[in-house]
Amino acid sequence: NAGVTQTPKFQVLKTGQSMTLQCAQDMNHEYMSWYRQDPGMGLRLIHYSVGAGITDQGEVPNGYNVSRSTTEDFPLRLLSAAPSQTSVYFCASSAQGAANEKLFFGSGTQLSVL
Amino acid sequence: GQNIDQPTEMTATEGAIVQINCTYQTSGFNGLFWYQQHAGEAPTFLSYNVLDGLEEKGRFSSFLSRSKGYSYLLLKELQMKDSASYLCAVRDPGSARQLTFGSGTQLTVLP
Repeated sequence: NAGVTQTPKFQVLKTGQSMTLQCAQDMNHEYMSWYRQDPGMGLRLIHYSVGAGITDQGEVPNGYNVSRSTTEDFPLRLLSAAPSQTSVYFCASSAQGAANEKLFFGSGTQLSVL
Repeated sequence: GQNIDQPTEMTATEGAIVQINCTYQTSGFNGLFWYQQHAGEAPTFLSYNVLDGLEEKGRFSSFLSRSKGYSYLLLKELQMKDSASYLCAVRDPGSARQLTFGSGTQLTVLP
C-alpha cells in the first residue's frame, strides 16, 4: 500500500538550474497539492489540483509550475532555482468528498539551492 | 485569508497531560485539523473538528469553539514518542477546500 510517493528524497541544485519533483498517489484521490515547509513558517501551499487537467495557485506559487495530466501524478517544476527555494517540499493528496477528508502526505524532499 | 496562532514550543514530563492551544482568525471555516509531525518525517492526521465540543480518540482529544476561534489538542499519559511538532490547520470552505496550517508547536517530552 504505497499511498503518496515522492522522489527524490534529497536534492542539491545550483542557482539557475531546473528540476522536477515527482509525486504519485495510488488512492485515486482527486485533490493533490504541494507544500513547502520552512522553519518557523509552517506548511505553505504552492499549487494544488482538484482533478486531472485542473491546477491552481496557492499562497506561494512564484518560481514553480505544475501540471496534472493523470489522476495519479502531480509533478512540481522549478524553472530556475534560487536560494530562497531551499526548503522541504511535501506533496499531499485527499479525496474530495466530505469536508473531513484528511490529507495524506508524501515523505518529503529536502531541497538545497546553492 | 487565514491567520492561525500556536505556541512555538512546549515541554512536559512523561506521564503528564499537556494542552496545545490554537487560535484562528479566518474568512471562512469548514473544519479544523490537527496533525503530528516527527522530526524528518511527513505530517500524519490526528483529529478533525467541525462542531463545537470535544472529540476523544484514545490518549488524544481535540476541542473546538467556533465562536471563540479556538481549539486545543489534549495529550494524556505522555510518552517519549509523543515528542513531535503538532500542527493546527483550518479548512477553507471554498470548492477546493484548502488547508491553511499554523507554524506548529514543538513538544518535547522529558523523562
